[in-house]
Amino acid sequence: DAMVIQNPRYQVTQFGKPVTLSCSQTLNHNVMYWYQQKSSQAPKLLFHYYDKDFNNEADTPDNFQSRRPNTSFCFLDIRSPGLGDAAMYLCATSRERTGGDEQFFGPGTRLTVL
Amino acid sequence: GQNIDQPTEMTATEGAIVQINCTYQTSGFNGLFWYQQHAGEAPTFLSYNVLDGLEEKGRFSSFLSRSKGYSYLLLKELQMKDSASYLCAVMDSNYQLIWGAGTKLIIKP
Repeated sequence: DAMVIQNPRYQVTQFGKPVTLSCSQTLNHNVMYWYQQKSSQAPKLLFHYYDKDFNNEADTPDNFQSRRPNTSFCFLDIRSPGLGDAAMYLCATSRERTGGDEQFFGPGTRLTVL
Repeated sequence: GQNIDQPTEMTATEGAIVQINCTYQTSGFNGLFWYQQHAGEAPTFLSYNVLDGLEEKGRFSSFLSRSKGYSYLLLKELQMKDSASYLCAVMDSNYQLIWGAGTKLIIKP
């Protein structure tokens, strides 16, 4: 089955210790997204890639970086995690960025910062 | 600014019908999505409306009125497994999804 895969599902890190979250997709979609979601809140878009074109949201902290080495994979790097970065990180894909193109989500990585 | 409003929480009884409302103010409109999200899991797509009217898909229906900036999700024959959060999201003129915070639906036997 075509899908979006995220690893790990649960990540525990220490305050200030860099962490990398990964996402892969077998849907062959052009667009990949990284969202941060805290409990009972709306997903917050951090970045998106249209193919290799990187788009950073204006309010995404510099502490967050992303890489998309090829169509299938995308990584989220948190350079110096703070307690406020504890959240669910969701990777999503869509075929295009036009109306009607639904986003397909991976299962998410829950990040805990100690 | 852009804004999506939906109730924080609703409670309904198994077998009943529930309507979850969503109002929006966005820069442009390229469609409205409803997603279901079970606790601790990722959102899954339910419906997409871009024209006014009702879209029916099994037990779930979604309605849109663009002139009123309003949508609702109607769930019929509620089952315990429908206990989840329901997120409304609008695609704006830049094809960016603006998300609501979600409505937590609690189903009671």
